Amino acid sequence: AQSVTQLGSHVSVSEGALVLLRCNYSSSVPPYLFWYVQYPNQGLQLLLKYTTGATLVKGINGFEAEFKKSETSFHLTKPSAHMSDAAEYFCAVSEEEGGSEKLVFGKGTKLTVNP
Amino acid sequence: KAGVTQTPRYLIKTRGQQVTLSCSPISGHRSVSWYQQTPGQGLQFLFEYFSETQRNKGNFPGRFSGRQFSNSRSEMNVSTLELGDSALYLCASSSDRRLSGNTEAFFGQGTRLTVV
Repeated sequence: AQSVTQLGSHVSVSEGALVLLRCNYSSSVPPYLFWYVQYPNQGLQLLLKYTTGATLVKGINGFEAEFKKSETSFHLTKPSAHMSDAAEYFCAVSEEEGGSEKLVFGKGTKLTVNP
Repeated sequence: KAGVTQTPRYLIKTRGQQVTLSCSPISGHRSVSWYQQTPGQGLQFLFEYFSETQRNKGNFPGRFSGRQFSNSRSEMNVSTLELGDSALYLCASSSDRRLSGNTEAFFGQGTRLTVV
């Protein structure tokens, strides 16, 4: 079974600072990797995903992530944090079963942005 | 294009009762998946329905069940509620069962279930 580890359940940054949210996965086959964001009392919104091709993936709201197979990592970054980035972020890997794919999520990282 | 709609948004039930949650997927989407989100266990896959058939099921007891109708709307049911069933239940719809390529899973806002 696939698993996802997000290092740091809480990350705090200042507005304008670099955002780095860490994600490591375990997978015996090339994975499909995702980052989702969840605002309070809301569902999940896809930020970006890696399936094949370029290992640096650009997403919405200025976020990007780099797939590093040798490190089994898919860390999420944003050069300059904005107050509106405060939310919980989930890294996920897809797991195939029965002809379909389900998402296996990490525990999440809550991002706080300080003024 | 309307998003994924889950009803109700909030629900309070008593232990031992049963509950039914509803999910209307994006028009044209035939795959509906359900996830349970709790502070302790995080996001966990419950089941997936495609073309009115359950295709995949997570590691949950038989008290958790669901179904999908011909219009792709889905319901999940939890019988004999326990305190530990208190959670945010999220529904996701996608056009395909596979999430590679251009397929994306769109999530609803969830139903917050509180069992007292």
